[in-house]
Amino acid sequence: EDQVTQSPEALRLQEGESSSLNCSYTVSGLRGLFWYRQDPGKGPEFLFTLYSAGEEKEKERLKATLTKKESFLHITAPKPEDSATYLCAVLGGSGTYKYIFGTGTRLKVLA
Amino acid sequence: GAVVSQHPSRVICKSGTSVKIECRSLDFQATTMFWYRQFPKQSLMLMATSNEGSKATYEQGVEKDKFLINHASLTLSTLTVTSAHPEDSSFYICSASGPAGGNEQFFGPGTRLTVL
Repeated sequence: EDQVTQSPEALRLQEGESSSLNCSYTVSGLRGLFWYRQDPGKGPEFLFTLYSAGEEKEKERLKATLTKKESFLHITAPKPEDSATYLCAVLGGSGTYKYIFGTGTRLKVLA
Repeated sequence: GAVVSQHPSRVICKSGTSVKIECRSLDFQATTMFWYRQFPKQSLMLMATSNEGSKATYEQGVEKDKFLINHASLTLSTLTVTSAHPEDSSFYICSASGPAGGNEQFFGPGTRLTVL
């Protein structure tokens, strides 16, 4: 069964304390893995797309990496404004392609 | 680029009335649009997928007669909640894919529906 699992569910970091969020997936025919940031009461904001194992993307303090089984979102020296829920999604499937979202990691960065 | 708008951002209505929510891709033509529902502290729940000019594909358990979706053009999709009841109160979010032929979904800001 195609699925996406994110861990941890919630994470509290001190400002400047680097960490990584995990997105494990099982899907046939991966057509893309996507990371989003969602603030409370708002729609998700697109961050990255990764297509193949070994690919990496960076934006400010965020870096996304991809293997054949999982993706990591590395947050370097986070600031309080990085506090949000981070969602991972994959597009794939056999036959009809479908988007599958994980349940997200709620990140809180303390000043 | 890749901006999606939603209108209204908040709506309060009485039970039994219908509410229409608009979703527009402002700077690209969307090949596909999606409608999601989100409950507090939960992830996105896909309601339906629509392509311009064709009928929407609804997810299992979503009543197509209650949640009417129209994808009239490559930049506009609407969701109408018919005969709304308090249990329909939720955060509704649309998204669109298609800019530059990519697979990414770009999300609107969401609509908070409260049914009294």
